[in-house]
Formats: sequence, C-alpha cells, structure tokens
Amino acid sequence: GENVEQHPSTLSVQEGDSAVIKCTYSDSASNYFPWYKQELGKGPQLIIDIRSNVGEKKDQRIAVTLNKTAKHFSLHITETQPEDSAVYFCAASIDNTGKLIFGQGTTLQVKP
Amino acid sequence: SAVISQKPSRDICQRGTSLTIQCQVDSQVTMMFWYRQQPGQSLTLIATANQGSEATYESGFVIDKFPISRPNLTFSTLTVSNMSPEDSSIYLCSVPGTSGRNEQFFGPGTRLTVL
Repeated sequence: GENVEQHPSTLSVQEGDSAVIKCTYSDSASNYFPWYKQELGKGPQLIIDIRSNVGEKKDQRIAVTLNKTAKHFSLHITETQPEDSAVYFCAASIDNTGKLIFGQGTTLQVKP
Repeated sequence: SAVISQKPSRDICQRGTSLTIQCQVDSQVTMMFWYRQQPGQSLTLIATANQGSEATYESGFVIDKFPISRPNLTFSTLTVSNMSPEDSSIYLCSVPGTSGRNEQFFGPGTRLTVL
C-alpha cells in the first residue's frame, strides 16, 4: 500500500523567511496530494492541494510542487508570519477511493 | 466546504467503558470517513462509512472495537468500545468536498482520554 514520508519533523524559521516541507510517496497510482494545517485543539484545515497532472500550484504565500517521476512533493511558504505556526501534514490519495494516507507531520514554528 | 460538527468535543472515560462520537454535516454526502490521531502523531484512517451499507474498515481496525452507524446522508457515529488507555486519541470525521477534486474536509475532532 501507499506510504508517505514527510520531512523535517520540526522546522523553526524567523518571521519573513521561507519554509519548505517535503514529502515522498511510494504508490505511483496516487494522483491527489493535499496539504493540511492543524492548529492546537483544532481539526486539520485543507490549505492547498495538487493533482498529478499539474507540476506546481500557488495560492498567495503558499505553493506546492510535484515531481511525479521522483514521487515527491513539497510545500513552500514564503514571507512566514507567526500565525503560520502549526503542524502541517501532507497526504496522498488515489482518485475515487477517498482514502488519504498522511505523512508524519511537521511542526513549524515562526519566531517573531 | 461543508460545515462539520462533532460531539462531544472532548471526554474523559474509564477503561472498559464505551463512548459514541457523533459527526453531523450540513449537507448530504455519500461518503464519510473516520480517522484516529494518537497523541503527537499523524492521522490514520479507521473506516469509510457509506449510507445504507456496512462500513469498510482499514487494516488493524475491526467492527467489534469501532462500530459505525450511518443512518442518513448527514450523520454518522463512531463508537469506541471496551476502552483502554491506548485508545486515548483524537477522533476525527471527514467528508469529501463537492468540487469533484477529491478534497476532504475535517471536523474539529473529539479528544478522548481513557484512564
């Protein structure tokens, strides 16, 4: 079955710097890759996603890149702000199954 | 995205007892999912609940321990049976979006502590 590896497990940056979180997946059939942000005491919030027919997607300060050949995808946050501090999860899914396989999570700390 | 609520938001239970968690969605959805998030860990899918059929459980999860009901298209329950401290986790339900993009949206979670 699918396995998703996520790195780093913790990341600390200064406000205004960029943050990059990387994930790799094992099943080449996976074709949907969402990223979630989970703040303390809350459920995961979908922040951006990408499908396998697209190499890059951007939404304001957040971007995701996908390399299908290497089976890895990354989350890029630019101009980080203290409110970006949270746990971020990547996931992979195969169309029509609805089943999300999650990475281990990255705790991002943005220092003011 | 759908508005998803869960009850209770948190609970502290004694070992050997059972707890039923409710998930309510503000729109009709065919599929609902139940996940477990152990302390400081990632999310693991427990089962997929379709209305009108038995839930489909993932490897490592069984119906006797986690019975699920799906009486209609906006509601589901997950019961954690005969609890032990190892069941202390956050339990989350999720539903697909309506855009056809395969996205899922999560409820706020139920934080369960078993003593």
